[in-house]
Amino acid sequence: EPEVTQTPSHQVTQMGQEVILRCVPISNHLYFYWYRQILGQKVEFLVSFYNNEISEKSEIFDDQFSVERPDGSNFTLKIRSTKLEDSAMYFCASRETGMSNQPQHFGDGTRLSIL
Amino acid sequence: RKEVEQDPGPFNVPEGATVAFNCTYSNSASQSFFWYRQDCRKEPKLLMSVYSSGNEDGRFTAQLNRASQYISLLIRDSKLSDSATYLCVVENYGQNFVFGPGTRLSVLP
Repeated sequence: EPEVTQTPSHQVTQMGQEVILRCVPISNHLYFYWYRQILGQKVEFLVSFYNNEISEKSEIFDDQFSVERPDGSNFTLKIRSTKLEDSAMYFCASRETGMSNQPQHFGDGTRLSIL
Repeated sequence: RKEVEQDPGPFNVPEGATVAFNCTYSNSASQSFFWYRQDCRKEPKLLMSVYSSGNEDGRFTAQLNRASQYISLLIRDSKLSDSATYLCVVENYGQNFVFGPGTRLSVLP
């Protein structure tokens, strides 16, 4: 069964550094998402991406964050000047179309630890 | 009011028990509804979509009441492998998913 893959599985970074999280969505999917989950808290939406542009973003997704689809397969989340509170699990998800009742498929996440 | 609320849990039940989870959502314009399960420190995995007429998948039954903005999940004949956190997920306009806080289930031998 095709799956969403994320790298790295764990990233440790010094506060203030930039980090790039990588995702390879399922190949025929058109909609891509990033979510985060702080330890012990709920999964929170960050951003959705379709047709090479951001379609929606949450309040969390401020100027510190950016997303890119640099080629036909990768979807990246960049966090500039990381803060301690950016420590979380980051999940990438993809979806074949935007039709209702179609689920999103999640990668196994990148655990980001900011020191 | 939080967008998606769930039973706080945890639920500790013996193997073979029937357990029901409840979920309410605040946005009456919500379009789609799902139950995901999440094992400890793992990604959310789709359990089932929730349709207006209700739907069943083996031991799992989901119900939706749009008038009450209420979703439920029933698990019959619980297995040890059902132990996980169950996430109620609502899709709003714009297609992002809004997750509930989850209800943790422990099925005991």
